[in-house]
Amino acid sequence: NAGVTQTPKFQVLKTGQSMTLQCAQDMNHEYMSWYRQDPGMGLRLIHYSVGAGITDQGEVPNGYNVSRSTTEDFPLRLLSAAPSQTSVYFCASSYHLSGAIDEQFFGPGTRLTVL
Amino acid sequence: AQSVTQPDIHITVSEGASLELRCNYSYGATPYLFWYVQSPGQGLQLLLKYFSGDTLVQGIKGFEAEFKRSQSSFNLRKPSVHWSDAAEYFCAVGVDMRFGAGTRLTVKP
Repeated sequence: NAGVTQTPKFQVLKTGQSMTLQCAQDMNHEYMSWYRQDPGMGLRLIHYSVGAGITDQGEVPNGYNVSRSTTEDFPLRLLSAAPSQTSVYFCASSYHLSGAIDEQFFGPGTRLTVL
Repeated sequence: AQSVTQPDIHITVSEGASLELRCNYSYGATPYLFWYVQSPGQGLQLLLKYFSGDTLVQGIKGFEAEFKRSQSSFNLRKPSVHWSDAAEYFCAVGVDMRFGAGTRLTVKP
């Protein structure tokens, strides 16, 4: 099993550009999520999904879109990149247990710089 | 408001010394609780988790954590720290998987 994979590992964008961060998992997990990690702020939840066709907003959703057309894939779209979106982005997946989330498995991260 | 607090931003301990990292949460009911570790430049790895039952939970790499309902705490402990334990440690709550801000551990030789 590959676990959770993310592409690209590194990306530099100019302000106003758009891009998609890819995330895939092969563990048949219902729950998938995107976080951003900034120094001193831990991980903040951007968007999450409890299954194909279902997505919802987390703590910091503004400027990001997601979709979940399959169980395996959960791409994150930056609509118009801003310097404030410079961060490390992590995708994660887990089983979803009656409204609570079990252990999450994390991808290796994408380091994004917006100039 | 629901929250997870890790009061210590940075802790330095000597190799071989004991370690305790603090985590407090504010939720209406007892949530699922997790500790994750992140080595530099890496993703997060689960150390241990608490769902119910025995309040003292054993994890990987010799770590343990104790759930104290009365104090809304889930502190992480290790009796003897190794240099390879230097990393950032995150507490998380499994209702909405909110993470604390993290505690960075430095180990002195």
